[in-house]
Amino acid sequence: NAGVTQTPKFQVLKTGQSMTLQCAQDMNHNSMYWYRQDPGMGLRLIYYSASEGTTDKGEVPNGYNVSRLNKREFSLRLESAAPSQTSVYFCASSPGTVNTEAFFGQGTRLTVV
Amino acid sequence: EDQVTQSPEALRLQEGESSSLNCSYTVSGLRGLFWYRQDPGKGPEFLFTLYSAGEEKEKERLKATLTKKESFLHITAPKPEDSATYLCAVDNYGQNFVFGPGTRLSVLP
Repeated sequence: NAGVTQTPKFQVLKTGQSMTLQCAQDMNHNSMYWYRQDPGMGLRLIYYSASEGTTDKGEVPNGYNVSRLNKREFSLRLESAAPSQTSVYFCASSPGTVNTEAFFGQGTRLTVV
Repeated sequence: EDQVTQSPEALRLQEGESSSLNCSYTVSGLRGLFWYRQDPGKGPEFLFTLYSAGEEKEKERLKATLTKKESFLHITAPKPEDSATYLCAVDNYGQNFVFGPGTRLSVLP
């Protein structure tokens, strides 16, 4: 049972480059989330999708876009990477359309130079 | 602004030395409080959900409790494998969780 799978695990980008972080879950969950984790700041929500076909901004959406491709997949795109986007990114999913326990992927460590 | 704080920032215990971690919250409303464990290089792993003051949940050496302003994660007779960062998160009736910064626990053999 894979749970939540993120790719890639590590990535180094140059300032201005673009990339897409991929996330897929095999638990038939309705809601999916993208968080970033920075030292001393806790997890901060970038975007979420409460159900297939919907996406909404979280606490720190600037510089990011998302696509809920289908019920399983939720991708995060950085159009023009900046050093401030250096972080660890986590995708998560939860079964309901309101907050229930979330299941997290292993994370993507992104460095923007 | 809704806020979640955790203390201490880091805690070192000897194996078998019981202690408690604190999660304090200031939120407009509380639908639920969640505890997660995070190992280095991995994503958070769900531990407990608490919904109302006075509620308690237990799992092995861990017990979580909830009051109107804070939650405690009690660790009884910890082992080295309990070493991790423990995160709490609050569902404030918004569309997402508000996470605290975490407590980094080290249990020495």
